[in-house]
Amino acid sequence: EIVMTQSPATLSVSPGERATLSCRASQSVSTNLAWYQQKPGQAPRLLIYGASTRATGIPARFSGSGSGTDFTLTISSLQSEDFAVYYCQQYNNWPLTFGGGTKVEIK
Amino acid sequence: EVQLLESGGGLVQPGGSLRLSCAASGFTFSSYAMSWVRQAPGKGLEWVSAIGASTYYADSVKGRFTISRDNSKNTLYLQMNSLRDEDTAVYFCAKDFGYHAFDIWGQGTMVTVSS
Repeated sequence: EIVMTQSPATLSVSPGERATLSCRASQSVSTNLAWYQQKPGQAPRLLIYGASTRATGIPARFSGSGSGTDFTLTISSLQSEDFAVYYCQQYNNWPLTFGGGTKVEIK
Repeated sequence: EVQLLESGGGLVQPGGSLRLSCAASGFTFSSYAMSWVRQAPGKGLEWVSAIGASTYYADSVKGRFTISRDNSKNTLYLQMNSLRDEDTAVYFCAKDFGYHAFDIWGQGTMVTVSS
C-alpha cells in the first residue's frame, strides 16, 4: 500500500497570503495524484487531478505541481472561503490512498 | 443536476449488517466506475471499495463488505457484514470520472457500530 504523508498538519495563514501544502508518497505515483478540499459537514470537493490539472470550476489561485513522490498544492492568495482541510489522494495503485490532511486555518 | 444521494446508514451492533445505497442522477451512471469512501469522526478520508470493470476493496473491509451496482436503477450499494466498532464513519459514495479520482460526491450517510 502506498502511504501518503501530508505536511504540515495545520497551516496558519492570513487572508491574502500564499499557502503551500505538501504531499509525499512512499513510492512513485507518477502524476496520478489528486487534491481535495473539505469544509466542516461537507463532502470533499475535487480541486486538482493529474497532479496539476484544475478540475472544472476551480479558481486559478489553486495550482498543483510535482511528480513521482513529491507534490505541492499552492493557493496563491487565500480567500475566506479557502479555509478548510485539504487532502491528497494517489490513484496510481490499488488500494487508493489518501493523505492525512492539512488544515488551513486563519492566522 | 449531477447528484449522488446515499441512504441506509444507522446504528448497528458489532457483528451486525447494514446495506448502504447511493442513488445517482444527472449522468450516465453505467458509464462510470464508482467508489465508497469513509471518514471516521474527526478523522481523514479512507477509500473503502470501488466497482468498475472489476471490484476492489481496502484490506480493512475485504471479506466483510461487498460492493455492487444496479445500472437499471442507477444505484450503487455497499453490503456491510460483520461490522466492527472501527467501521463507524460517514460513508460517501463518489463518482470516478475516469482516473480513479472523484469529481462528484454524495453528502454521506452515518454508520455507527456500537453496543
